[in-house]
Amino acid sequence: GNSVTQMEGPVTLSEEAFLTINCTYTATGYPSLFWYVQYPGEGLQLLLKATKADDKGSNKGFEATYRKETTSFHLEKGSVQVSDSAVYFCAGGDDKIIFGKGTRLHILP
Amino acid sequence: NAGVTQTPKFQVLKTGQSMTLQCAQDMNHEYMSWYRQDPGMGLRLIHYSVGAGITDQGEVPNGYNVSRSTTEDFPLRLLSAAPSQTSVYFCASSYGQGGGYGYTFGSGTRLTVV
Repeated sequence: GNSVTQMEGPVTLSEEAFLTINCTYTATGYPSLFWYVQYPGEGLQLLLKATKADDKGSNKGFEATYRKETTSFHLEKGSVQVSDSAVYFCAGGDDKIIFGKGTRLHILP
Repeated sequence: NAGVTQTPKFQVLKTGQSMTLQCAQDMNHEYMSWYRQDPGMGLRLIHYSVGAGITDQGEVPNGYNVSRSTTEDFPLRLLSAAPSQTSVYFCASSYGQGGGYGYTFGSGTRLTVV
């Protein structure tokens, strides 16, 4: 069946550092791919998405490119802020959306 | 626009009790899903629905029932609660095919089974 694997956390960075959170997927075909963010005590919010190979999703300075050849969808941001501290989930699928286990990100001022 | 509304926000059950977690959306979304979130496990899909009258199982369906009699509502029923069902439950909905447009999530129900 389909699966999503993302790097384990926690990830701790200083403000203005470059961020990469790795995500790879295993699926039959080419599912839609997503990154969601969860702030403390809240539900998940869609951060960005890509629906086909070579698509780039972007939002709030975050980017991720759907790489068919490496089955990856890594999340990147050039300069993180303290307010980016949250848990980030990679997800993929079409009818059934499967989530990774989440990566907790801490940004230090 | 309320989005996805889950009730209750918190619930404590005794082992063997039954209850229904409510989920309603006002966005006319076809697709709805239930997930549970456990520490270190991420979100796991319990059941999902591609439209009124249609439901299917996800990754961890045992111990849970669902029905979708209307587009707006997608209740999750625990038939006989067990401590292993202690978790945070999220309902989500999406426009169009599958979750391909991205889900809107409710704020969650924190369930404790003692």
